[in-house]
Amino acid sequence: GDSVTQMEGPVTLSEEAFLTINCTYTATGYPSLFWYVQYPGEGLQLLLKATKADDKGSNKGFEATYRKETTSFHLEKGSVQVSDSAVYFCALSSGYALNFGKGTSLLVTP
Amino acid sequence: NAGVTQTPKFQVLKTGQSMTLQCAQDMNHEYMSWYRQDPGMGLRLIHYSVGAGITDQGEVPNGYNVSRSTTEDFPLRLLSAAPSQTSVYFCASSSGAATYEQYFGPGTRLTVT
Repeated sequence: GDSVTQMEGPVTLSEEAFLTINCTYTATGYPSLFWYVQYPGEGLQLLLKATKADDKGSNKGFEATYRKETTSFHLEKGSVQVSDSAVYFCALSSGYALNFGKGTSLLVTP
Repeated sequence: NAGVTQTPKFQVLKTGQSMTLQCAQDMNHEYMSWYRQDPGMGLRLIHYSVGAGITDQGEVPNGYNVSRSTTEDFPLRLLSAAPSQTSVYFCASSSGAATYEQYFGPGTRLTVT
């Protein structure tokens, strides 16, 4: 069945460092791909999405490109801030709901 | 516009007790779903609904029951709570199928002792 694999955390970075969180997927058909973010004590919020191959989703300085040839959707940000500390989930559309990765915890230190 | 609301925020149950987790949305979304979040497991789908009167099972439906009598509400019932149901529960809604943005509630943290 459909599945998402993302890199294990936690990831600890200094402020202004470059961020990459890897995400690969297995799916039949052509799913949409998403990154959701969960701040401490809150629900999940959509960060960005891509609906077809070679699409690039972007928001708040984060980017991810839908790579069909490598079945990947890696999340990147050029310069992280302390306020980016959160848990990041990669997900794909599967039928009527989302199929999530296990999440990657990011801690950004001043 | 409150979005997706969930009550209660926290709950402690004893094994064998039953309870209902409430979820409501005011965005007139047809699609609603329940997920549980466990450490190191991501979010797993429990049940979902594609409209009033229509529900279906997700990945981990055992021990849970749902119904959808209105567009706004999608309660999740625990029939006989077990320690394995200790988790954080999230309700979500969207205006279309999974390709659309899903809006999540703030979650209910449930502990079963």
